Amino acid sequence: GENVEQHPSTLSVQEGDSAVIKCTYSDSASNYFPWYKQELGKRPQLIIDIRSNVGEKKDQRIAVTLNKTAKHFSLHITETQPEDSAVYFCAASKAPKAPLVFGKGTRLSVIA
Amino acid sequence: ETGVTQSPTHLIKTRGQQVTLRCSSQSGHNTVSWYQQALGQGPQFIFQYYREEENGRGNFPPRFSGLQFPNYSSELNVNALELDDSALYLCASSLDGRINSPLHFGNGTRLTVT
Repeated sequence: GENVEQHPSTLSVQEGDSAVIKCTYSDSASNYFPWYKQELGKRPQLIIDIRSNVGEKKDQRIAVTLNKTAKHFSLHITETQPEDSAVYFCAASKAPKAPLVFGKGTRLSVIA
Repeated sequence: ETGVTQSPTHLIKTRGQQVTLRCSSQSGHNTVSWYQQALGQGPQFIFQYYREEENGRGNFPPRFSGLQFPNYSSELNVNALELDDSALYLCASSLDGRINSPLHFGNGTRLTVT
């Protein structure tokens, strides 16, 4: 089955700097890659997703890139703010029927 | 449009007991998926219900079972609770048997087994 590895497990950046979180997946048939943000004690919230027919997607300060050949995808957050501090999860699946397989998460701390 | 709602928010049970968690799907959604999120881990897929039938299952033992009702709400039942069952249980709804396009979670039920 699908296996998703996520790095780093923790990341600290200064406010205003960029943050990059990387994930690799094992199943070349996976075609849907969402990213979730989870604040302490709250539910994971979808922040951006990308499908395999697209190499990059951007939404304001957040962007995701996908390299299907290498089977990895990355989350880029620019101009980080303290409210970006949270745990971020990547996931992969063979949409639309297969369930999401999540990485173990990255704890991002943005230092003011 | 109402989102996914779960109850209760918190629950404490003793090892060996049984528990039932509830989920109301987002308006118009006929598919419900359940995930278990252990502390410090990503969510793990338990199973999905579509039109009142189980429609996909993850690597969880049979003591994890579920139901979906005609109004598309759902229950997750766990028998013979073990300490390792302590986790946040998340429910998500979607449309037409699609598990993940895209997936929006409820606030979850935090289960503590002592």
